[in-house]
Amino acid sequence: EVQLVESGGGLVQPGGSLKLSCVASGFTFSNNAMNWVRQAPGKGLEWLSYISGSSGTIYYADSVKGRFTISRDNAKNSVYLQMNSLRVDDTAVYYCAKSGPLDWGQGILVTVSS
Amino acid sequence: QSALTQPRSVSGSPGQSVTISCTGTSSDVGTYNYVSWYQQHPGSAPKLMIYDVNKRPSGVPDRLSGSKSGNTASLTISGLQADDEGDYYCCSYADSRYVFGTGTKVTVL
Repeated sequence: EVQLVESGGGLVQPGGSLKLSCVASGFTFSNNAMNWVRQAPGKGLEWLSYISGSSGTIYYADSVKGRFTISRDNAKNSVYLQMNSLRVDDTAVYYCAKSGPLDWGQGILVTVSS
Repeated sequence: QSALTQPRSVSGSPGQSVTISCTGTSSDVGTYNYVSWYQQHPGSAPKLMIYDVNKRPSGVPDRLSGSKSGNTASLTISGLQADDEGDYYCCSYADSRYVFGTGTKVTVL
């Protein structure tokens, strides 16, 4: 069974930084691409970023390009999202998701507020 | 990339059928047979209901079915039941990116 557990969320001031982590189990992590998806309060789902199994291919949504960086450590079965220059409208629940039909973690709340 | 277009809400009485449309473009829904549907309840992660346009994961009842024609995908829920209520999102793979639908609230009257 695929399990994805996010951590690292919390309250941060506008302009600040935060790094999310996601530990995966139940599948061969290095063989699978991973994604980050977020959902602002009361809003829909927004895909943010993709990283291939080898980290050789990375994509970002325009809304986070230049501010967020996705990375992974296959030895630790982990994927990360470094978030810089955070804005109030980045407030959301952030999910890591395994590619394919997406398998989701439980999500982690990031609140950007002064 | 713009979100896929879904109706804001649909409703039906128990036992009835409802259909949710998901309209994209030739760059996503129209090209890829990787359309999936997710049900979400408040405070919970999305749950996969349909993948690859019309395939059901184990445990999802066959009352749910998916289809696609051109740039529009559809999810049909037959024999509507109370636990079908929730928000439904379509999602299309598009060249290593994913694009989600705007979401549809399903209400069982």
